[in-house]
Amino acid sequence: EPEVTQTPSHQVTQMGQEVILRCVPISNHLYFYWYRQILGQKVEFLVSFYNNEISEKSEIFDDQFSVERPDGSNFTLKIRSTKLEDSAMYFCASSDTQGTHNEQFFGPGTRLTVL
Amino acid sequence: RKEVEQDPGPFNVPEGATVAFNCTYSNSASQSFFWYRQDCRKEPKLLMSVYSSGNEDGRFTAQLNRASQYISLLIRDSKLSDSATYLCVVTVGSTLGRLYFGRGTQLTVWP
Repeated sequence: EPEVTQTPSHQVTQMGQEVILRCVPISNHLYFYWYRQILGQKVEFLVSFYNNEISEKSEIFDDQFSVERPDGSNFTLKIRSTKLEDSAMYFCASSDTQGTHNEQFFGPGTRLTVL
Repeated sequence: RKEVEQDPGPFNVPEGATVAFNCTYSNSASQSFFWYRQDCRKEPKLLMSVYSSGNEDGRFTAQLNRASQYISLLIRDSKLSDSATYLCVVTVGSTLGRLYFGRGTQLTVWP
């Protein structure tokens, strides 16, 4: 069964450092998403991406965040200068459509710890 | 504003019990409704979509009341493997791709 994969599974970084979280969406999917979940809190939308551009971003997704699809398979989230409050689980998701009742498939997540 | 609100629980029930979760959403423009399940420290996985007429998938039944902006999930004959956090999720009309998650309701089924 096709699945979304994410690397690394756990990333530890110092405050102020840049991190890149990587995702490989399901191969025939066209819509890509990043979400995050701070420990003990709800899953929160960060950004959606379609046709090589951002479709929508939340208020969390400020100038320190960027996304890229550098080739035909990878989808990355970059955090330029990490803060302590960026510590969270980051989930990548993909879907083949964006209509009503479309299913988004989530990757296993990257746990980011900022020290 | 909290888009989606759920009773956090925890719900602790014996095997075989019937348990019901409720969820309310604040935006009347909400278009699509889902229940996801999340195991501890894992990714959310779609359990079922929720349709206006209500729908059933085996032991799981979902209901939607648009007038009250209320969604429910009923689990019959609970199994140990049903232990998880159940997430109520909606999309809002103008932004169909973005999922709004509730904080989840934690369920533990004991033998």
